[in-house]
Amino acid sequence: AQSVAQPEDQVNVAEGNPLTVKCTYSVSGNPYLFWYVQYPNRGLQFLLKYITGDNLVKGSYGFEAEFNKSQTSFHLKKPSALVSDSALYFCAVRDSGNTGKLIFGQGTTLQVKP
Amino acid sequence: NAGVTQTPKFQVLKTGQSMTLQCAQDMNHNSMYWYRQDPGMGLRLIYYSASEGTTDKGEVPNGYNVSRLNKREFSLRLESAAPSQTSVYFCASKGTGETGELFFGEGSRLTVL
Repeated sequence: AQSVAQPEDQVNVAEGNPLTVKCTYSVSGNPYLFWYVQYPNRGLQFLLKYITGDNLVKGSYGFEAEFNKSQTSFHLKKPSALVSDSALYFCAVRDSGNTGKLIFGQGTTLQVKP
Repeated sequence: NAGVTQTPKFQVLKTGQSMTLQCAQDMNHNSMYWYRQDPGMGLRLIYYSASEGTTDKGEVPNGYNVSRLNKREFSLRLESAAPSQTSVYFCASKGTGETGELFFGEGSRLTVL
């Protein structure tokens, strides 16, 4: 069965420093991987996705993610964090079959301090 | 451009009461989904509809029913609410193509006393 894991409940970084939010996955076949962000009392917003091709995927708000097949990881990164990046981040993998269902990790809270 | 619209945004129920959460999308998407979000558990799929006229169970369907009223609307019904159904519910629709991402509504916060 497809699954994702986000090993950190919370990540703390100082504003201006690089940030990484970790995600590992387990799939049968080729993985379709996604990152979403959720601000307080809001819905999930799509950040970026990996389907195929270049292992470094660029997305919204300056975020990028690195797909690593050998380590089965899809870590979210940003070179310079902003206080406004503080939010809940979810990694997700497309379920097998053609239903479009996403399987989500438990989420990682990113706290960026001034 | 409204995207995915959910109503109501907040609801308080007593155990045993029933209610329906409404969801509508204006993006002409075929597939729609209902998820629930609980602290530390991420989002779990309740039901989904791959196309108009079809619905299927997800990971946690017990205690819920759904109706795909037409291509735009996908409702979630709690027939007899239980405290375990206290959660935030999200409706989503899938963009076109096999690799389309999901677009989410703003959520419906439900409390069952």
